[in-house]
Amino acid sequence: DAGITQSPRYKITETGRQVTLMCHQTWSHSYMFWYRQDLGHGLRLIYYSAAADITDKGEVPDGYVVSRSKTENFPLTLESATRSQTSVYFCASSESETQYFGPGTRLLVL
Amino acid sequence: AQSVSQHNHHVILSEAASLELGCNYSYGGTVNLFWYVQYPGQHLQLLLKYFSGDPLVKGIKGFEAEFIKSKFSFNLRKPSVQWSDTAEYFCAVSSPNQAGTALIFGKGTTLSVSS
Repeated sequence: DAGITQSPRYKITETGRQVTLMCHQTWSHSYMFWYRQDLGHGLRLIYYSAAADITDKGEVPDGYVVSRSKTENFPLTLESATRSQTSVYFCASSESETQYFGPGTRLLVL
Repeated sequence: AQSVSQHNHHVILSEAASLELGCNYSYGGTVNLFWYVQYPGQHLQLLLKYFSGDPLVKGIKGFEAEFIKSKFSFNLRKPSVQWSDTAEYFCAVSSPNQAGTALIFGKGTTLSVSS
């Protein structure tokens, strides 16, 4: 039972580079979410998706792009990474009102 | 807009001490309430949730929380903490009856338990 996985788990990149964080879930949940976790802010929603090809912005979407061509995958792309995007990124999925989280990706932008 | 306040940023306890972590939310309507725990280096795990019914909710690992509607609160409690409870705890809310509604998180409370 793989559940929800994220890759890579750790990533170091440089300012201006494009980075894609992957999220995969095996439950066939309709809803998927991307959050970032920062000290003093808790978790904040970046983007979410209600189904394949349906996505919408969350609280902090600037600088990020998402896509959802398949139900099980929800990649998050930083088009041109900035230092302020150094964070821990969590993917989550749900079919009802309870969300289940992946292990997170720790991203450092130098 | 909904918001969640966790009043305790960092709590330090000795083993066997009792725990209560505060959580207040601001929203005029009905909400779903959650407590998640994040152990060091791990992902968020659901501790317990409240949707409706009995306002005293029991979760995993001996945790419980009480929903007090008049106080807009959902405090987390445990009668006797263990060293393994050292973690970060997040309170969250969402709108009810809406699958796929995003969670609004508090900023978290770090619990350190000394043996």
